[in-house]
Amino acid sequence: DTEVTQTPKHLVMGMTNKKSLKCEQHMGHRAMYWYKQKAKKPPELMFVYSYEKLSINESVPSRFSPECPNSSLLNLHLHALQPEDSALYLCASSTTSGGGTGELFFGEGSRLTVL
Amino acid sequence: GESVGLHLPTLSVQEGDNSIINCAYSNSASDYFIWYKQESGKGPQFIIDIRSNMDKRQGQRVTVLLNKTVKHLSLQIAATQPGDSAVYFCAENRRDYKLSFGAGTTVTVRA
Repeated sequence: DTEVTQTPKHLVMGMTNKKSLKCEQHMGHRAMYWYKQKAKKPPELMFVYSYEKLSINESVPSRFSPECPNSSLLNLHLHALQPEDSALYLCASSTTSGGGTGELFFGEGSRLTVL
Repeated sequence: GESVGLHLPTLSVQEGDNSIINCAYSNSASDYFIWYKQESGKGPQFIIDIRSNMDKRQGQRVTVLLNKTVKHLSLQIAATQPGDSAVYFCAENRRDYKLSFGAGTTVTVRA
């Protein structure tokens, strides 16, 4: 079982809705990540938080808004999404606090469908 | 741009045989590589990693080989089992928190 917990597992939303994806880890990791994965493609990095501060934004549209309330939680707020945003959204965490990424521990993902 | 990629998108292997999954990378400055396994409907799961100061590392039924001369990485799975059916990604660990994934190889184990 993964030690990174993501909720909800499935989410269907309209283009005018506002929803949030949540991620939680209790491994004491200080780096947390959001990845987006389309079908049959590798995960693509969206955001990186290090010590609760946003350190990387991979030019993600503003309709995706990340938030890191504390060292264990990571949220992804969704607003005015497009159908092409439908994908599996993966949360991950790692121990590395600087320099390179260590082993990433992934959650099971939240499968998002935008109608 | 520099990236990590896999040679073959699919691999079909007989149960009990050994599997070899290949990956080529182009960033000669990369110093850490990871293999992930992703089963259907699940997130990627860490299999094994290797640093650039090594050329081989073994785990339980898995071995990763690194050839820095030709910038090639491979994952060998011994005695492949039905539970090994999944998509396998190699990933390049960069020093700026960015883990770059290859395209993935789908492994199907035949009974």
